[in-house]
Amino acid sequence: GENVEQHPSTLSVQEGDSAVIKCTYSDSASNYFPWYKQELGKRPQLIIDIRSNVGEKKDQRIAVTLNKTAKHFSLHITETQPEDSAVYFCAASIGGNQFYFGTGTSLTVIP
Amino acid sequence: KAGVTQTPRYLIKTRGQQVTLSCSPISGHRSVSWYQQTPGQGLQFLFEYFSETQRNKGNFPGRFSGRQFSNSRSEMNVSTLELGDSALYLCASSLEGDQETQYFGPGTRLLVL
Repeated sequence: GENVEQHPSTLSVQEGDSAVIKCTYSDSASNYFPWYKQELGKRPQLIIDIRSNVGEKKDQRIAVTLNKTAKHFSLHITETQPEDSAVYFCAASIGGNQFYFGTGTSLTVIP
Repeated sequence: KAGVTQTPRYLIKTRGQQVTLSCSPISGHRSVSWYQQTPGQGLQFLFEYFSETQRNKGNFPGRFSGRQFSNSRSEMNVSTLELGDSALYLCASSLEGDQETQYFGPGTRLLVL
């Protein structure tokens, strides 16, 4: 089955700096890649997603890039703010609603 | 619309017992997925139900089972509990279950002693 690896496991940045989280996947048939944010004690929430027919997608300070050849995708957060502190999960799907998640990145934004 | 709800929120069981967790999806959502979340392992897919049928299944032993009712509410059952089953169990619902946004519930935290 699909295997998703996520790096780094922890990330600390100064407020205003950028943060980048990277994920790789193993199954070339994966074609949908969502990113979820989970604040402490709360449920995961979708923040952005990308499909395999697109190389990049932006939503305000958040962007995701996809390299199908290398089978990796990344989350970019610019101008980080303290409220961006959370655990971020990447995921991959080859179809339907079967998702394979990365192990998460704990992001801390230092004021 | 009300969000995804899960009951109970916390549960303590002993090894060998069984447990049933419940998930009520957002009204109108027909797909319900279940995940096990543990520190260091992230979210691991258990199974997905759509229109009362299990449509996808992850790599978990047969002790983990589930079902979905005609109103789309879903239950998950774990039999013969083991210490390693201690985790946060999350369910997520989506409209049709085809690579759409999944809306997660608050989870049920299970502790096996």
